[in-house]
Amino acid sequence: QLHLQESGPGQVQPLETLSLTCTVSGDSMRSYHWGWIRQPPGKGLEWIGSIYYSGSAYYSLSLRSRLALSVDTSKSQFSLRLNSVTAADTAIYYCARGGQTAITQYAYWGQGIQVTVSS
Amino acid sequence: DIRMTQSPSSLSASVGDRVTITCRASQNIYTSLNWYQHVPGKVPKLLIFAASSLRSGVPSRFSGSGSGTDFTLTITGLQPEDFATYYCQHDFIMPSSFGQGTKVEI
Repeated sequence: QLHLQESGPGQVQPLETLSLTCTVSGDSMRSYHWGWIRQPPGKGLEWIGSIYYSGSAYYSLSLRSRLALSVDTSKSQFSLRLNSVTAADTAIYYCARGGQTAITQYAYWGQGIQVTVSS
Repeated sequence: DIRMTQSPSSLSASVGDRVTITCRASQNIYTSLNWYQHVPGKVPKLLIFAASSLRSGVPSRFSGSGSGTDFTLTITGLQPEDFATYYCQHDFIMPSSFGQGTKVEI
């Protein structure tokens, strides 16, 4: 049974860097794409980015100047770093597994982690 | 960047109703279209992939259709557990994007 779990701080100071990690258990990361999606309060789902197990990544155009995705298959983890955060980055952040060819077909999701940007 | 536009933004329906939600892409995405259900407080759930393929375990009252730029999600015989927000998402080229969502209310 595939399981994904997000971890990281629940609160980040404005202009600081948000770092989140998704730990994968129950299956190998190999051959799959791994994604991040967020939902700001009262708004819809927003696609953040995706990374292949080998490390190649795709980014949202609106976030790519502040965003970096990474993967560590030896730890079964992939991570997100978003710098210079503002209140607009306050959201529930989800990690998810994409397909082997359908990059952003997200059949499996983590429970989500609430991140608040505030001093 | 491909934009996804859903209509309506919200709708009111009753148990047993047939509900149709529309999603339009800003360019041809062939059948690279997914539908998700999001119940508040729960995790989004993939219902339909490749425009019309029902994910295993999803009730058959859900169906998807369309290709190119126009797509439809239909719920035939709405059940109490179907009251949620529904999102379309394209998977044609990166970056991906979601529609703004359609809230199905009682």
